[in-house]
Amino acid sequence: AQSVAQPEDQVNVAEGNPLTVKCTYSVSGNPYLFWYVQYPNRGLQFLLKYITGDNLVKGSYGFEAEFNKSQTSFHLKKPSALVSDSALYFCAVRDYGQNFVFGPGTRLSVLP
Amino acid sequence: GAGVSQSPSNKVTEKGKDVELRCDPISGHTALYWYRQSLGQGLEFLIYFQGNSAPDKSGLPSDRFSAERTGGSVSTLTIQRTQQEDSAVYLCASWGQGGNEQYFGPGTRLTVT
Repeated sequence: AQSVAQPEDQVNVAEGNPLTVKCTYSVSGNPYLFWYVQYPNRGLQFLLKYITGDNLVKGSYGFEAEFNKSQTSFHLKKPSALVSDSALYFCAVRDYGQNFVFGPGTRLSVLP
Repeated sequence: GAGVSQSPSNKVTEKGKDVELRCDPISGHTALYWYRQSLGQGLEFLIYFQGNSAPDKSGLPSDRFSAERTGGSVSTLTIQRTQQEDSAVYLCASWGQGGNEQYFGPGTRLTVT
């Protein structure tokens, strides 16, 4: 069965600094990997995905993520954090079917 | 085009009452998912519908919870005899063939008093 781990409950970063939100996964076969963001009192918004191809994928709001097959990781990154990036971030994996598994979420706080 | 919609956006009910939560998926999406999210926490999978197949109910926490999807489109999640621990945000998502990511609705915040 597939699983997703987000080892950090909380990530704090100063505005303007680079940020990383970590995600590791376990899935049989080739993974489909996703990042979603949730702002307060809102539903989840899709940020980016890895299906195949380049290991570095770019998404919305300047975010990018790097797929690393050997480390089974899909860390979310942004070169320069904004206060408005403060939110709850979820990593998710889908196998060849339509079953999605979400990580527990990481709360990102960007400090001015 | 229109996204996933859910109604009501907020629901306050007394303990022991039944509630119905509605989800309208994106038109043409074959798969529909229900999740529960406690305050600021992760997503708890509840149930998943795919086309005309039998739904995957493995995440329903008790027999007080049920869901149906009529005509392969709109879905209703029903909670009978609500308890205070049912208080949460209930999120619906849909997924379509040819796409890869889920699209989420804004959620229904349920408060059981």
